[in-house]
Amino acid sequence: DGGITQSPKYLFRKEGQNVTLSCEQNLNHDAMYWYRQDPGQGLRLIYYSQIVNDFQKGDIAEGYSVSREKKESFPLTVTSAQKNPTAFYLCASTESGGRNQPQHFGDGTRLSIL
Amino acid sequence: AQTVTQSQPEMSVQEAETVTLSCTYDTSESDYYLFWYKQPPSRQMILVIRQEAYKQQNATENRFSVNFQKAAKSFSLKISDSQLGDAAMYFCAYRRFRDALNFGKGTSLLVTP
Repeated sequence: DGGITQSPKYLFRKEGQNVTLSCEQNLNHDAMYWYRQDPGQGLRLIYYSQIVNDFQKGDIAEGYSVSREKKESFPLTVTSAQKNPTAFYLCASTESGGRNQPQHFGDGTRLSIL
Repeated sequence: AQTVTQSQPEMSVQEAETVTLSCTYDTSESDYYLFWYKQPPSRQMILVIRQEAYKQQNATENRFSVNFQKAAKSFSLKISDSQLGDAAMYFCAYRRFRDALNFGKGTSLLVTP
């Protein structure tokens, strides 16, 4: 079955450490997104990519970085510059161009600070 | 930037009853799309219903329907014959430029027997 796979499900970060969250999709979607979810805040956009080797900052990109070397993969790195990384992170994808196409979501990664 | 407002942090409904969740949004665009997503305790994001702004007819999916008032920039979700499995966080979302979704802060729905 097609879908989005996020790993790991749980991740712990030490002070000063960079960590990478994986997101893989086999839906052949062009566009991919990273959202952060905090209690009472809804989902906020971190980065998105409409095509391979291209990506744009979202509303809260500071302290994060991404790459899009392959269509199916869009990893998110939480750098040591992100001072409050504890949150639930969701990856999503959609067919590019069709605004009414829904975004498909992965099951998420919960990141905590040790 | 477009804002999406869900004014009800929590709502409660009895099983088999009907409940309406509110959503308003702010935009200067005329062509856009609106969505309701459900997030149960498993934290999966599940699409409930979507509405194209150019369509006057309100979208319906089984027990779920919307009341889309374009002039008022309102997009409420009505759940009929509520079931225990409907208990979840519900997020209203607006599809903005370049296809990123802009979410409201959510409404937590409790369904009581």
